[in-house]
Amino acid sequence: NAGVMQNPRHLVRRRGQEARLRCSPMKGHSHVYWYRQLPEEGLKFMVYLQKENIIDESGMPKERFSAEFPKEGPSILRIQQVVRGDSAAYFCASSPPGQPYEQYFGPGTRLTVT
Amino acid sequence: GIQVEQSPPDLILQEGANSTLRCNFSDSVNNLQWFHQNPWGQLINLFYIPSGTKQNGRLSATTVATERYSLLYISSSQTTDSGVYFCAARSSPSGSRLTFGEGTQLTVNP
Repeated sequence: NAGVMQNPRHLVRRRGQEARLRCSPMKGHSHVYWYRQLPEEGLKFMVYLQKENIIDESGMPKERFSAEFPKEGPSILRIQQVVRGDSAAYFCASSPPGQPYEQYFGPGTRLTVT
Repeated sequence: GIQVEQSPPDLILQEGANSTLRCNFSDSVNNLQWFHQNPWGQLINLFYIPSGTKQNGRLSATTVATERYSLLYISSSQTTDSGVYFCAARSSPSGSRLTFGEGTQLTVNP
């Protein structure tokens, strides 16, 4: 059973460009979570999605950030007009539906904004 | 929301030594996980332990939910144990999110 997949692993963008981060959950998992880790800090929750639904986006910045988890395909975290402060590691996690099960994390995408 | 505090923030050991990492949380939890972030930045699931005790090789963990803390034990440490250890907790009022502590930076010297 493959783990949580994220791509790309490393992404470099210039200020003002768009960044798209992809996450494929583990097989059988329908819940996806995105977390951000700024340099030298712990992980902070951003958004929780189920297929075609955003359940909790209370950790998302109000502007420029959006997330989706379509019926088919991976979950996408989109950052528009990136700024240097967006440079961070973005981790995706997945879990099975129902109970507060263990969350399994992907390898992360390291975004660098130049 | 729930608060998660880890101690110590930094720990330096000689290879072969044992250590205990602590995680305190401010609310009752329905999910408590320990992770190891290796020097390459990858997060490795160590334990899912909202209560009780588990062991996996040289590592074990205990969560005393009624007293709101969890402990991670590392025995006979190896240089490959180096990295940051995170505790993360989830409580019902916080929904499905995990709240992470700031981590313990462990360095094991040969």
